[in-house]
Amino acid sequence: NAGVTQTPKFQVLKTGQSMTLQCAQDMNHEYMSWYRQDPGMGLRLIHYSVGAGITDQGEVPNGYNVSRSTTEDFPLRLLSAAPSQTSVYFCASSWEVNDSPLHFGNGTRLTVT
Amino acid sequence: GENVEQHPSTLSVQEGDSAVIKCTYSDSASNYFPWYKQELGKRPQLIIDIRSNVGEKKDQRIAVTLNKTAKHFSLHITETQPEDSAVYFCAATGKTSYDKVIFGPGTSLSVIP
Repeated sequence: NAGVTQTPKFQVLKTGQSMTLQCAQDMNHEYMSWYRQDPGMGLRLIHYSVGAGITDQGEVPNGYNVSRSTTEDFPLRLLSAAPSQTSVYFCASSWEVNDSPLHFGNGTRLTVT
Repeated sequence: GENVEQHPSTLSVQEGDSAVIKCTYSDSASNYFPWYKQELGKRPQLIIDIRSNVGEKKDQRIAVTLNKTAKHFSLHITETQPEDSAVYFCAATGKTSYDKVIFGPGTSLSVIP
C-alpha cells in the first residue's frame, strides 16, 4: 500500500493564481482532511470529509475549496492564491477518526509570491 | 468548539532524563487522544494513543495518562535519547466518526547529549 500520496511536493505560485493540491489514499479510509502548517507552528484544520459526497469546514477554510467525489481522493483547491497561503499542506486520512489515528501524506510545500 | 491546549511549548532535557508534556481539552465528549511526533521536515507520525475508557497506556519508554474528570492527558518519555528530539503534538477527537481532529499547538523537545 502506498498510504497517503500528495502531489506536488513543491509548488510556487504568483498572487492570484489558482491551483489544486492532490491527495489520494489506498486504505479505504472514510475520513480525510487537510491541514496547513506554517513555519514553527502547529497543524490547523482547513477542511475535512467523513465520506464521499460529504465535506465540512475546519478552523481556517477561507480561500480554499474541497470536494470528495470518491473515497480515495480529496483535492484541495486554492481559488486565488495569496502570500498568506504560503505554508506546508498535509493531507491525512483515518479509518475511524474517533478510534484510530491519522495517516499523513508527505506534504506539499507551497510558496506564493 | 473543541479546543486543545498544550504545555510547555518548548522543553529541553538532558539525555537520560524524563520529559512530560501536558494537554487539556474542552469537549467532555472527546473519546480518542493520539500523540504524534514530527521530526524536522517530515510528516507527523503516531507514537501512542489512548481511548477514553483507559487511564494509562505504556509502550516501552513512552506512556500516556488520561484524567477524564480534569479533561487532561499527558505524554511521558523516560530515558530520553537524542533521537527523541522533535515536535510532539497531542490531539483530541469527539465521540463519533463524524467529528474532526483538533491538534494542540505542539511542544518542541530537545534532548541534549
